[in-house]
Amino acid sequence: NAGVIQTPRHKVTGKGQEATLWCEPISGHSAVFWYRQTIVQGLEFLTYFRNQAPIDDSGMPKERFSAQMPNQSHSTLKIQSTQPQDSAVYLCASSRPGTGKSEVFFGKGTRLTVV
Amino acid sequence: LAKTTQPPSMEAYEGQEVNVSCSHTNIATSEYIYWYRQVPHQGPQFIIQGYKDYVVNEVASLFISADRKLSTLSLPWVSLRDAAVYYCIVTVYTGNYKYVFGAGTRLKVIA
Repeated sequence: NAGVIQTPRHKVTGKGQEATLWCEPISGHSAVFWYRQTIVQGLEFLTYFRNQAPIDDSGMPKERFSAQMPNQSHSTLKIQSTQPQDSAVYLCASSRPGTGKSEVFFGKGTRLTVV
Repeated sequence: LAKTTQPPSMEAYEGQEVNVSCSHTNIATSEYIYWYRQVPHQGPQFIIQGYKDYVVNEVASLFISADRKLSTLSLPWVSLRDAAVYYCIVTVYTGNYKYVFGAGTRLKVIA
């Protein structure tokens, strides 16, 4: 079990460019979460999928951010027209609800730097 | 989701037992208590979960007060590898709901 895999681990983009972050959840996990972590704000929830369907995107900035889960083996977080304030570590997590085990497994994150 | 309050930081010497407290005065009957820890360059990692009374696993123990408004994570015999930020989270028991993270408790372990 390789755990939740996030790629790339580090990404540097120029201001105004697009950034796409990838997440491969643990096989068999039907719930996928995205979080963002900064020194100032800490860990913030962004969005959540269950069985590939978007369930809760209450933490997603309304502009420029979008997330998709086209199949059960990967999810993407896309940031259009990146801004310096988007610099953060983006964490993906997955879980297997309904099994009596509610533990959520986190990936190592993608550090996004917007210059 | 119940709000949690933890001490911002703690220090301990290697070999000591460490108790990290978490206040969750508005915890609902449907909510459980989870503890995670995060070391640098890694995502948070699950430690233990509980609903009431006392829970123990191979890594830690968790004591929950009778009114469930306070929980205490106990780490026996801490080592340098236990230096991390410890998060207490209160949420429904499904693995199917977002976590709301507080600032956590930064544990410094002194050799």
